[in-house]
Amino acid sequence: SAVISQKPSRDICQRGTSLTIQCQVDSQVTMMFWYRQQPGQSLTLIATANQGSEATYESGFVIDKFPISRPNLTFSTLTVSNMSPEDSSIYLCSVGLGTYPGELFFGEGSRLTVL
Amino acid sequence: AQSVAQPEDQVNVAEGNPLTVKCTYSVSGNPYLFWYVQYPNRGLQFLLKYITGDNLVKGSYGFEAEFNKSQTSFHLKKPSALVSDSALYFCAVRDRGGNKLTFGTGTQLKVEL
Repeated sequence: SAVISQKPSRDICQRGTSLTIQCQVDSQVTMMFWYRQQPGQSLTLIATANQGSEATYESGFVIDKFPISRPNLTFSTLTVSNMSPEDSSIYLCSVGLGTYPGELFFGEGSRLTVL
Repeated sequence: AQSVAQPEDQVNVAEGNPLTVKCTYSVSGNPYLFWYVQYPNRGLQFLLKYITGDNLVKGSYGFEAEFNKSQTSFHLKKPSALVSDSALYFCAVRDRGGNKLTFGTGTQLKVEL
């Protein structure tokens, strides 16, 4: 498994502001993913964070709203831009280890509340 | 497109009794199936997976799951439930050739004394 650290663990944000979430992994990983879990709902993949290239976004998610950085094989950031109350969610970083199609491991999540 | 269904929003069982959390899937070809558990205010923890081989898969904390291809199901089971098993359980399927995990809607398990 991997140790995945996310910061912040929770935050309360004002409408119209932006917040960057950090994800640090204790080993080098090829695959890193960002998921969103809206209150009382399941997890939805936002994007795959690719090292050395732009992130790959899922349908319904765009780079302007959720810019992602992946500067190296152990770190990634997700920014939630121009936040609205609808962005109140838990954001989870996830990594894949070993060979396909193994399991993914998740961080503890970052709980954002937008007022 | 692949999908996962968890037909029960909540399952209640008494401690010591067996538990089952249901999951059915829809994929083209052979599925890669996973179960995760989420405790309050925590991330997801991996429980077990089915990739190939034996239909009965054993995982963490005494959980197991049975893959049934004809019924397209992957139900999570435990012979004797504990109060500490109370949590939110997610079934997921991974797409073939890709990295995306598609999750079910989750089932809240409540184990009572």
